[in-house]
Order: sequence, then C-alpha cells, then structure tokens
Amino acid sequence: DVVLTQTPVSLSVTLGDQASISCRSSQSLEYSDGYTYLEWYLQKPGQSPQLLIYEVSNRFSGVPDRFIGSGSGTDFTLKISRVEPEDLGVYYCFQATHDPTFGAGTKLELK
Amino acid sequence: QVKLLQSGAALVKPGDSVKMSCKASGYTFTDYIIHWVKQSHGKSLEWIGYINPYSGGTNYNEKFKSKATLTVDKSSSTAYMEFSRLTSEDSAIYYCARENWANWFAYWGQGTLVTVSS
Repeated sequence: DVVLTQTPVSLSVTLGDQASISCRSSQSLEYSDGYTYLEWYLQKPGQSPQLLIYEVSNRFSGVPDRFIGSGSGTDFTLKISRVEPEDLGVYYCFQATHDPTFGAGTKLELK
Repeated sequence: QVKLLQSGAALVKPGDSVKMSCKASGYTFTDYIIHWVKQSHGKSLEWIGYINPYSGGTNYNEKFKSKATLTVDKSSSTAYMEFSRLTSEDSAIYYCARENWANWFAYWGQGTLVTVSS
C-alpha cells in the first residue's frame, strides 16, 4: 500500500497566520494518464470530512482561495494563508493514483 | 442541493451483521459513484469500496473484500453497505460519499456510528 506521511501531526497557529502541512508519499502519485490524484480534506470537530483540494491544486467549489495546494511526484503541501476560526480541525491528504489511502491527519488548532 | 442521508446509529453483537443505508437526493442517483469510508474512533480514514449505481459494479479495498457488501436500490436512490461477522475492530463511524468526476469524495453523508458489543 502507498503510505502518506503527514507532518506535522499537530500545528498550533494564531488567527491570521499562515499554516503549512506536508504530505509525503511512499511512491510517486503521478498516474499514467498524466494526472496526479492527490486530494486534501478537512474534518471539523463533530463533522464529516469536506473536500478542499483535488488533483493537487484545484480548489473544490466554494473553497476559499486562501487554501493553496501544491507539489508533485511524492511531495505535496497544503498552505492556508490567514488562518480563520472555521479552518480549525484535522486535515487529511488522500491519494487515488494507487489503491486509495489517506494520511494519518494533521490537527490545526489555536495557539 | 446534493444530500446524502445515512441511517441511524446501530448497536450490534459480535458475529452479527449490520446493514446501513445512504439515501441520495438533489441529483440523478445513477450518474455518480458512491464510496464508503470507515473512521475508527479518533483515528484516520479508510476507504472501503465503491459502487456504481448505474451498473451495480463494485470495487473493494482488499482489506474489506470479505467484510463489506455494497448494493443499491435505484428506485429509492439509496445505497447500502452490509458489514458481516462483526468484531470490536468494526466499531467505527461509516460514511458514504459521492464522487464528482475529478475527485473521489465531494459530498459526504453525516455518518453512521456502529458499536459492536455484547
């Protein structure tokens, strides 16, 4: 199975700060069709996960432009500029290039 | 708007089976694949498998192949997942989620909590 390693495990921020989460894959996530099937999800406390980013850098409908996904191959990053209260929760990366797997999650909390 | 309404919490005994539902609304049910995802308490997420409501075709995570059975009822726009031979390891929240062409889990149900206990 492809292992997605997320760092840090938890991240304490001040509102208005930038936050950065890394997701490193044990194998390249570029598929034979040229696409990279790496997605990011946010699970707010007590809620279902919600899609933020798909195919590395495409924001899903309604996702604010302060969420920026980047990366290629095995290294990916989600940046949140100007963290707002509704951004707090656990972030997961997910890959569907190989048999689908999720990262273990990164908890974003207030300092 | 797209909605996925899942069945309520279930308390089941070890060795039993449980069947949970996911009722879709706000779109044409047969146009999009439905996935199922497991979240054990306080832990990360695991993809269980998906079903194509149009064809009934399924694809399972190898880990859940002998555990989960996915079906649909097109007449009621409802997807089902049956989990068999339950153990304490199966206690978790189970989510259904709908794809949206270029992504896997664009819309999520509210989750069904399954507790396995004697």
